[in-house]
Amino acid sequence: DAGVTQSPTHLIKTRGQQVTLRCSPKSGHDTVSWYQQALGQGPQFIFQYYEEEERQRGNFPDRFSGHQFPNYSSELNVNALLLGDSALYLCASSPRLTGPDRGYTFGSGTRLTVV
Amino acid sequence: GDSVTQMEGPVTLSEEAFLTINCTYTATGYPSLFWYVQYPGEGLQLLLKATKADDKGSNKGFEATYRKETTSFHLEKGSVQVSDSAVYFCALSDLETALIFGKGTTLSVSS
Repeated sequence: DAGVTQSPTHLIKTRGQQVTLRCSPKSGHDTVSWYQQALGQGPQFIFQYYEEEERQRGNFPDRFSGHQFPNYSSELNVNALLLGDSALYLCASSPRLTGPDRGYTFGSGTRLTVV
Repeated sequence: GDSVTQMEGPVTLSEEAFLTINCTYTATGYPSLFWYVQYPGEGLQLLLKATKADDKGSNKGFEATYRKETTSFHLEKGSVQVSDSAVYFCALSDLETALIFGKGTTLSVSS
């Protein structure tokens, strides 16, 4: 049973560019949450998607946007990249709009470096 | 807003030593509390959790007790192993919303 799959594992982008990160949730999960983990910091919540809609959002600018597809997979898009966007981006899936109490599963993350 | 504060690392121990990593929280409601572990190059794994006051979470020899009176959730293990070397994160969630994490504590265990 595959867990949460994220792609790519690493990428390097230039300031001002746009990037798309992808996440496939664990089998049986339909809710996807995204987190940003800067170096030496704890992860910070970006947003959560359920039924193809953004349900909750953390304190991140509009440059961060997302999408969820009918098969529950999700994308995180970041526009106008800044050096400060360099981080590990983590995807977590869970069942039926539940949160961490009911069973979050994290992926291994995408390491984004902005130069 | 809600927040989590955990002891800064790194924590360096010899194998079989006793481990304590302190964690305190601030929350307006009655959050659930978690410890997650991150091994090098990997994502986060849930280590243990507690959903109400006085609950004790335990897993793989690790324990933590939800102390409402001291707003704490300290992680303990009686005898650490080299394989326990990792970064440990304390976190909370309120009303099943997103997790709020501490900054993490790096544990290094030597043989």
